[in-house]
Amino acid sequence: DTEVTQTPKHLVMGMTNKKSLKCEQHMGHRAMYWYKQKAKKPPELMFVYSYEKLSINESVPSRFSPECPNSSLLNLHLHALQPEDSALYLCASSQLDMGFAGNTIYFGEGSWLTVV
Amino acid sequence: SQQGEEDPQALSIQEGENATMNCSYKTSINNLQWYRQNSGRGLVHLILIRSNEREKHSGRLRVTLDTSKKSSSLLITASRAADTASYFCATVKAAGNKLTFGGGTRVLVKP
Repeated sequence: DTEVTQTPKHLVMGMTNKKSLKCEQHMGHRAMYWYKQKAKKPPELMFVYSYEKLSINESVPSRFSPECPNSSLLNLHLHALQPEDSALYLCASSQLDMGFAGNTIYFGEGSWLTVV
Repeated sequence: SQQGEEDPQALSIQEGENATMNCSYKTSINNLQWYRQNSGRGLVHLILIRSNEREKHSGRLRVTLDTSKKSSSLLITASRAADTASYFCATVKAAGNKLTFGGGTRVLVKP
């Protein structure tokens, strides 16, 4: 099973709403990631969790708040977003973090977020 | 910020032809990876090539790496309509711990 599951697949939220994106993997991976991808652009790294601890925050605005409740779950809490935050949010996992040679990242199908 | 730049940005070929795309990067790397993304979907890992490797094959895919030129190429042989997708190279810097994507090449394979 090489599956990373993301919910919801689509989310429309107002600028005053609070919502969450969820991600789950059961591959025993110890590193999990959030990437943001705008249309026709490459994915951009937002956060990295390694062994359930936040190891990288790519200067992401505080209106995005990640959480790793356990080794299988990763959430992204959203609050007071702007229309320019509309994008595809991709969750991913790998056995270890990318500092270890040969690691492969497995991506979920993504959550399409529209902020109105 | 992007570590890799891909060339061409878009490629249109007939089914059965080969497709070649190139990736250049700026700093020394630990490894380079290629991913495929169908429109609006997640990314699928294709091949990982380590900095001490020069060529790898997987099915109809062939990847080369030239660390002296800081470049890599992905060759898809005997392309199929199902190969229509965006292809991204991504690098992990030497002593780094982040995977950073290049701009991608959009490939259209016409039946």
